[in-house]
Amino acid sequence: SAVISQKPSRDICQRGTSLTIQCQVDSQVTMMFWYRQQPGQSLTLIATANQGSEATYESGFVIDKFPISRPNLTFSTLTVSNMSPEDSSIYLCSVYGGRETYDTEAFFGQGTRLTVV
Amino acid sequence: LAKTTQPISMDSYEGQEVNITCSHNNIATNDYITWYQQFPSQGPRFIIQGYKTKVTNEVASLFIPADRKSSTLSLPRVSLSDTAVYYCLVDKNQGGKLIFGQGTELSVKP
Repeated sequence: SAVISQKPSRDICQRGTSLTIQCQVDSQVTMMFWYRQQPGQSLTLIATANQGSEATYESGFVIDKFPISRPNLTFSTLTVSNMSPEDSSIYLCSVYGGRETYDTEAFFGQGTRLTVV
Repeated sequence: LAKTTQPISMDSYEGQEVNITCSHNNIATNDYITWYQQFPSQGPRFIIQGYKTKVTNEVASLFIPADRKSSTLSLPRVSLSDTAVYYCLVDKNQGGKLIFGQGTELSVKP
């Protein structure tokens, strides 16, 4: 299993500012994933963060808006830049923890609830 | 990645068995079926995963017919604490990205 710590758990920010969300994992993992969950909606993958290389972004998400750092195998940050009220969402970090050779399970942080005013 | 379709919401009462069916008509040969549970203000949590036939763990059972175009998550004797959103996902089980559908919002009433 994997234990994920996300900071901050919630924040209220002014439009036009930026917020950096931290994700700390208790074990080394190759890939870390960042998701967004808009109010009342399902999860949408923002990007995959790989250590030692640039993050891979999904369609509709760009590096200028959501820069990601991955300095080592246990830590990643997601920045939400130049925020607008439309960025108000829950942002979640996720990793995999293998249990058996044919069975993998994704673990998620508690999420960061962001409100932009 | 195969698309999944689930009921948007379901209601149940405490002590009942709840069956949530997911449709995944375009599932590939090497795809697995995985269910996650999400409580309010928490990240999703793995419930169960299967490839074919039936899988059972301490939380739920997963029934997968031979054609694998659908699956049913069965929660025995639900309680109020089972009120959550349940997501059915289909993926290659290779530790890659997950595509979440809309999920089923289960409401358990006393």
